[in-house]
Amino acid sequence: GAVVSQHPSRVICKSGTSVKIECRSLDFQATTMFWYRQFPKQSLMLMATSNEGSKATYEQGVEKDKFLINHASLTLSTLTVTSAHPEDSSFYICSARDPSGIDTQYFGPGTRLTVL
Amino acid sequence: GENVEQHPSTLSVQEGDSAVIKCTYSDSASNYFPWYKQELGKGPQLIIDIRSNVGEKKDQRIAVTLNKTAKHFSLHITETQPEDSAVYFCAAIPNRDDKIIFGKGTRLHILP
Repeated sequence: GAVVSQHPSRVICKSGTSVKIECRSLDFQATTMFWYRQFPKQSLMLMATSNEGSKATYEQGVEKDKFLINHASLTLSTLTVTSAHPEDSSFYICSARDPSGIDTQYFGPGTRLTVL
Repeated sequence: GENVEQHPSTLSVQEGDSAVIKCTYSDSASNYFPWYKQELGKGPQLIIDIRSNVGEKKDQRIAVTLNKTAKHFSLHITETQPEDSAVYFCAAIPNRDDKIIFGKGTRLHILP
């Protein structure tokens, strides 16, 4: 299957700082990427849909000014958690839709964010 | 909108036995059903998928069945092994440009 990478794999930051997470599709071009967060023992919760060259579409209840998404190229989307607080601590996962695979989405390995 | 129900939430199976996870969906327009395996601390990995024009698909020890009339689909793992222990998510996608709707997951434990 297609490969999606995320960087960093884990990050610890102080409250009030901003953290950027990168999501890359390594062997295909992804016009659409998705960002999820996952709390322990729960399912994935979609935060936003990232479309290359246009603004992201955020799910209800997700603050777009707090979770900044940029999809500047067909292989890279970034999620920036601004002014992070302890309640933002979570597992953030991206996925990319492979155009050649019709509906198939491939997920990255996730980023564990801990805000102190 | 689409809603996916998944059962059971936890499943313990003796090594070598079979495991079955069942899901139902609500939107008859859904036409793509992927299954993901998530190991601790990792992202979900696509293990098998099925489209609405197919009733069954098999890949080695893993098989998925789909009953469109009843809006049921199931994952079957045969000859389970310790490395099968993980959380499994079923999902549905109504249309190509729609987001994935996940079930709540099944934590599978393979007992030695």
